Amino acid sequence: QVQLVQSGSELKKPGASVKVSCKASGYSFTTYAMNWVRQAPGQGLEWMGWINTNYGNPTYAQGFTGRFVFSLDTSVSTAYLEISGLKTEDTAVYYCARSWGAFDYWGQGALVTVSS
Amino acid sequence: QSALTQPASVSGSPGQSITISCTGGGSDLGGPYHYVYWYQQYPGKAPKVILYEVDKRPSGVSNRFSGSKSGGTASLTISGLQAEDEAEYHCKAYTTNMTWVFGGGTKLTVL
Repeated sequence: QVQLVQSGSELKKPGASVKVSCKASGYSFTTYAMNWVRQAPGQGLEWMGWINTNYGNPTYAQGFTGRFVFSLDTSVSTAYLEISGLKTEDTAVYYCARSWGAFDYWGQGALVTVSS
Repeated sequence: QSALTQPASVSGSPGQSITISCTGGGSDLGGPYHYVYWYQQYPGKAPKVILYEVDKRPSGVSNRFSGSKSGGTASLTISGLQAEDEAEYHCKAYTTNMTWVFGGGTKLTVL
C-alpha cells in the first residue's frame, strides 16, 4: 500500500536549519509529483510548492523562496524539505503529499518548532 | 497568491445538510480550470481528499459529499450530517500561474 513516512518532530533555535524527510513506498516514486504543505498552529493549509520527482526540478510558491529547498534521493524514494535561517513564524506542521492533481496520499506531518 | 475564502465555521444538526463555500478570483476559481478539490482533516491528522475536479468522489468516500462550482465560487455540500463529519474542510484550486492555492479552512461542528 502507498505510504509516505516523514521524519519526526524537531525543536530548533532561530537561525538554525532543519531538514525534513518524506520516504515513499508502495508505488513508483518518480511517477508522481511531490508537494510540500505547511500548516501553522490553528491555521489553514498553505501550499509551499512541488518537486518533479522525474527530473528533480523544484517549483516554489510565493513566500517560500530563498530559505526553502526541496530535494530528492530517488535511490531511496525520499523527498526532502530543508529550511534555513529558521524564524519563530516557521513553527508549523510540514506535510509532504503525492499528487496527480489531487493530493491523494499525505505524510503524517512533521512538527517543526522554532523557539529560543 | 491570496488564499481562497472560506467561512471560518459552520454547524448543523445530525441529518441536516450543510454547504461550505469557497470563493476565489479570476486567476483561480474564476479561471478556466475545473481543478477544485476538497479535503477533510481531523485534529492532529493529515488531510484526506474527499472531492476532486469539482464533483468527483474518490473510491470509498460517501455519496453524502457533493461538490459544485459556479463562476468564482465552489461549494461542498454534506447531506445527512453525521457526528463523524465533524472536522476541518479545506478547498484547493489550480491557478493560471500553474500553482495551487488553498482556502483558509472551515471547521464543521455537528450539534
